[in-house]
Amino acid sequence: GDSVTQMEGPVTLSEEAFLTINCTYTATGYPSLFWYVQYPGEGLQLLLKATKADDKGSNKGFEATYRKETTSFHLEKGSVQVSDSAVYFCALSDPASRNDYKLSFGAGTTVTVRA
Amino acid sequence: GAVVSQHPSRVICKSGTSVKIECRSLDFQATTMFWYRQFPKQSLMLMATSNEGSKATYEQGVEKDKFLINHASLTLSTLTVTSAHPEDSSFYICSARRRTNYGYTFGSGTRLTVV
Repeated sequence: GDSVTQMEGPVTLSEEAFLTINCTYTATGYPSLFWYVQYPGEGLQLLLKATKADDKGSNKGFEATYRKETTSFHLEKGSVQVSDSAVYFCALSDPASRNDYKLSFGAGTTVTVRA
Repeated sequence: GAVVSQHPSRVICKSGTSVKIECRSLDFQATTMFWYRQFPKQSLMLMATSNEGSKATYEQGVEKDKFLINHASLTLSTLTVTSAHPEDSSFYICSARRRTNYGYTFGSGTRLTVV
């Protein structure tokens, strides 16, 4: 079945540090890949996505590249801010799974950025 | 952009009572609605998937008689937690899959506390 393995946290960084959160996946077909962000007490917001191999998703300084050869979708940001403190979820949607395109989520990584 | 309004954001109820959570897509038609449960510091657990006008499909281990899902229209889905008990206390999140472009939009979540 489909699954997402995400780097465990928590991750604590200083402002302007480089952030990377590893994410690897297994899927039956050619999935779409997503990163979602959850701020305390809130639902999930789409951060970025990629729908095919070698696509790079980017938003708010975050980037992730769909690497089919390594089945990875690592999230990176060159210079984090305190406002980036949140929980980050890697997810995939696999049309080949025929499960109404449901999302499979990683465990989530809590990121805390200190001033 | 696409918005899913989820209400209430917080609810406290007595053990044995029922609670209804509503998710409404405000400016798009939701082909499919997903309902998730999230325990503290954990990932999202898919409870059920519902398509407009048809019965919900529940994930293994989720009691369909306890968590009633209604998806009467393309813009509204409800989750009713029946005869709630303290162990049902959790954060419930809905997600709507759009008819066009197959994107997902999450509600802001409902914090349920059963006392």
